[in-house]
Amino acid sequence: GQQLNQSPQSMFIQEGEDVSMNCTSSSIFNTWLWYKQDPGEGPVLLIALYKAGELTSNGRLTAQFGITRKDSFLNISASIPSDVGIYFCAGREYGQNFVFGPGTRLSVLP
Amino acid sequence: GAVVSQHPSWVICKSGTSVKIECRSLDFQATTMFWYRQFPKQSLMLMATSNEGSKATYEQGVEKDKFLINHASLTLSTLTVTSAHPEDSSFYICSARGPESSYNEQFFGPGTRLTVL
Repeated sequence: GQQLNQSPQSMFIQEGEDVSMNCTSSSIFNTWLWYKQDPGEGPVLLIALYKAGELTSNGRLTAQFGITRKDSFLNISASIPSDVGIYFCAGREYGQNFVFGPGTRLSVLP
Repeated sequence: GAVVSQHPSWVICKSGTSVKIECRSLDFQATTMFWYRQFPKQSLMLMATSNEGSKATYEQGVEKDKFLINHASLTLSTLTVTSAHPEDSSFYICSARGPESSYNEQFFGPGTRLTVL
């Protein structure tokens, strides 16, 4: 079935550094979503993207809908300890269910 | 964003018993609900998709007689793990989505941790 690739699989960064991660698909999507999951909790929706090229921010987080419609990017600026968690991307074609990526595990070192 | 609740948040049961987990959309009508399973440090594994009033569609490898799903209303779906065994111990997360539109988003519940002794 449909699969998404997320990169990197995991990352260790110093507090204060910026973070970049991406998600790629073999299909064209109409919607991209980015989630964060804290340990022992369900994923929380961070940002939703609906148009190719769209750039949307949520605080220190910025996500972009790739112009090819086959990828999306998430950036976190000036990371802090509470940014630790798993970040999932999800994409879908209109009328279909969302497909989720395997996640990027972020660790922030003080 | 919309709110999805799950109950219970954790449950411990003896092997052979059945456990029911409820998932509710609190402020929107969830025409489609999803059940996921997640093992420690692993990704989300979709178990089944259910549309209100219809039978659930199970993913390959998921036993429908083992994991009974009922989506009786637009705000409630239940997952019953029948005759639970230790290998069923996991983190179960439900998710819900509203009616089809160009601006669909999918929202997750907080999860239920099941431990089968």
